Amino acid sequence: GENVEQHPSTLSVQEGDSAVIKCTYSDSASNYFPWYKQELGKRPQLIIDIRSNVGEKKDQRIAVTLNKTAKHFSLHITETQPEDSAVYFCASTTDSWGKFQFGAGTQVVVTP
Amino acid sequence: DVKVTQSSRYLVKRTGEKVFLECVQDMDHENMFWYRQDPGLGLRLIYFSYDVKMKEKGDIPEGYSVSREKKERFSLILESASTNQTSMYLCASSLGGESYNSPLHFGNGTRLTVT
Repeated sequence: GENVEQHPSTLSVQEGDSAVIKCTYSDSASNYFPWYKQELGKRPQLIIDIRSNVGEKKDQRIAVTLNKTAKHFSLHITETQPEDSAVYFCASTTDSWGKFQFGAGTQVVVTP
Repeated sequence: DVKVTQSSRYLVKRTGEKVFLECVQDMDHENMFWYRQDPGLGLRLIYFSYDVKMKEKGDIPEGYSVSREKKERFSLILESASTNQTSMYLCASSLGGESYNSPLHFGNGTRLTVT
């Protein structure tokens, strides 16, 4: 079955710097890759997603890139702010049921 | 906005008790899921359902069962709670049907402690 590895497990950045989180997946049939942000004590919420027919997608300060050949996708956060501090999860799926495999999560800490 | 509601935020149960975790969504979603969240392990799928009365095992179904009698409600059942089932449980739903690969909408979670 699908396996998703996420790195790094923790990431500390200075406010204003960029943060990059990378995920690799094992199943070449994976075709949809969402990213979720989970603030402390809150539910995971979708922040951006990408489908396999697209290489890059941007939404203001966040972007996701997909390399199907290498089977990895990355989350990029530019001009980080303290409110970006959270745990970020990547996920992938191969089927229309929406059964996702999640990465282990990255704790991002943005220091002023 | 989709609302996924889990009946309890915190639960404390004793070993051997039967435990019910309830989840309700209000957006007519076809798919519903139960995940377990543990530090360093991410979210692991316990069971999911793509239709009323339908259920499929996820990656870690042992010790759990589910029930979906109505479209909007998906229940997770721990037949005999054990201490290794102490965890955060997240319910989620997604559009499903003809919507290919729609994102998950999560509830706030139930933190279950089994003593």
